[in-house]
Amino acid sequence: QVQLVQSGAEVKKPGASVKVSCKASGYTFTSYGISWVRQAPGQGLEWMGWISAYNGNTNYAQKLQGRVTMTTDTSTSTAYMELRSLRSDDTAVYYCARSRTPFNWNSHFDYWGQGTLVTVSS
Amino acid sequence: EIVMTQSPATLSVSPGERATLSCRASQSVSSNLAWYQQKPGQAPRLLIYGASTRATGIPARFSGSGSGTEFTLTISSLQSEDFAVYYCQQYNNWPPNFGQGTRLEIK
Repeated sequence: QVQLVQSGAEVKKPGASVKVSCKASGYTFTSYGISWVRQAPGQGLEWMGWISAYNGNTNYAQKLQGRVTMTTDTSTSTAYMELRSLRSDDTAVYYCARSRTPFNWNSHFDYWGQGTLVTVSS
Repeated sequence: EIVMTQSPATLSVSPGERATLSCRASQSVSSNLAWYQQKPGQAPRLLIYGASTRATGIPARFSGSGSGTEFTLTISSLQSEDFAVYYCQQYNNWPPNFGQGTRLEIK
């Protein structure tokens, strides 16, 4: 069965960086994309960006350009999301989600990781 | 950026009754619209994609309809496990984005 298993909760200070991992299993990793979606406490869902597990192409939300980097390691079927220069309003649960196409961002998300809580606090 | 507006913000319905949730896009998204269910402390779960296609394993009581700018999620006979927050998402125009959610609560 398809599974996306994310790394554990993180506590970071403002200005620091965080890197969240998402290990995929149960499907051919390179045949799909991975999107990252975050959810601030008590708030809705915010798309952060997408990476193709096929060729590494990326597409990031404009507000995060310059602070976010998404990568994949096809040898371990793992996707990574790094967010730099953390601020208090980056405190959120971060989800990885499988995108149905490996060629572009415009997809729904059929499987989700369990989420990783990132807390930014001094 | 397309604005996705869901209504109502909160819907109170009794078990066994029908629930109708709405999602409106500020411009046409064709049929590139998905619905997700989220329960407290859990990740969202895909219910509907392509505006009307049920995802794998989703019960037939969930149905989606609409195209262009107006979409509806209908739950025909509410079960206890259906009380949750529901989000619509458009993936026709960049950036893909979500509505603010409808909370479905027990009446």
